[in-house]
This record gives sequence, C-alpha cells and structure tokens, in this order.
Amino acid sequence: DADVTQTPRNRITKTGKRIMLECSQTKGHDRMYWYRQDPGLGLRLIYYSFDVKDINKGEISDGYSVSRQAQAKFSLSLESAIPNQTALYFCATSDLAAGSGELFFGEGSRLTVL
Amino acid sequence: AQSVTQLDSHVSVSEGTPVLLRCNYSSSYSPSLFWYVQHPNKGLQLLLKYTSAATLVKGINGFEAEFKKSETSFHLTKPSAHMSDAAEYFCVVIPLGPGFQKLVFGTGTRLLVSP
Repeated sequence: DADVTQTPRNRITKTGKRIMLECSQTKGHDRMYWYRQDPGLGLRLIYYSFDVKDINKGEISDGYSVSRQAQAKFSLSLESAIPNQTALYFCATSDLAAGSGELFFGEGSRLTVL
Repeated sequence: AQSVTQLDSHVSVSEGTPVLLRCNYSSSYSPSLFWYVQHPNKGLQLLLKYTSAATLVKGINGFEAEFKKSETSFHLTKPSAHMSDAAEYFCVVIPLGPGFQKLVFGTGTRLLVSP
C-alpha cells in the first residue's frame, strides 16, 4: 500500500458543487501539505499543517479550506468549485525530525470542474 | 526572496545520450536543493537532494547533480538516457533560514527520450 493515499484519484464535477479531496498517510509524519499543479506553473502550496491544531495558508488558499482530522488525515475542500480550480492536486507529508525538508507525495487527485 | 528557474521547459534526447537538465536558484540563505521526478499519472518522487554536504550528489537511476554556489546552479545530469527516464523533472529549493521555510518549486522540465 502507498504511504500517502489520496482519494478520489479522478473527479469531474460542476461549477458550484462542493468537493472534498482526502489524504491519509501511514508514514507517521507530523507535517502535511496540499499542493496544486498546473501545466507550466509547477506546484503551488495551498495549505499546510504542522499538527492537528496547526493549519496555515499557503500561497493560493483562496477558494479552499482544509481539515486535519487526525495526524494521519488531511482533507482539502472546495466549497463552491469553479472551472479555474481544474487542476491536479497533491497531498504530501514531511518529517520535522528528519530536518531535510524532503516531501513524500501521494499520486494525485485530478479534478475537473465543468 | 527565494526562486528557482528551470531554464528549459522541454529537453529531447536520444536513448543512450547524455542528459542535462538545468536549474538556477536564488536564496537569501544557504539552501537545501532537491530534484524530483514525476512519471505520467504518478506523484513526485525524490531523485536526489543537496543539504550542504558533498557538492556532487548522486541519486537514484544513475542521476547526479552538482551544487555550484558561485553559479547558483544545481544542474541534473545522467551519462546515458534510458527510455524510462522520460518524465517531468522539478528542481526545488528550501532556504535554510529561521523558522519554517516553504519549498519553492521550479516550473518543471519535461524530458523526452527517443529510440
């Protein structure tokens, strides 16, 4: 099984719908992240969390919200999806104790908003 | 401010020929630098990382990168390309300053390998 699991892997939805992307990890890492990938733009940070009680906005948090339900679970919500939120979304984890900053990624959730 | 520039959006090579993917960075502090690879429909996987030890870093699948502070570069190389190397590659910098520092991703270089 993958260390970082994202569900769903693919989702097509309509403008205005509420969408939740879920992420769970078995690595025991304290830090979790949500990134968005768009062609030619690399990855951009949406939200990150250091622990269950610590949620922080990234560079493009508008239109998104997150919930850290447990150390191992970090979900991303789009309250009212719009077409320019069509993208590939990645969850990632890192280990503060390791100190290197290395990220471990899930396989991505491809979201299409019509 | 921290930034990463990947100088080529696409690189095409023939199988068996050398690979060079270029990356330049800007950082206020001594950085950690990474190369990640993304195969189609997959997440990003760490290829190699530089964290202020040896300047020549060896990674998985025969890749290596050299940290050159004077040139603010961290180019990725491989002596002989394989078809399975076709993927997108991301250069990433973390400035090692005080407090939490976010990773800064380059825009990616797509490597195409022809037979």
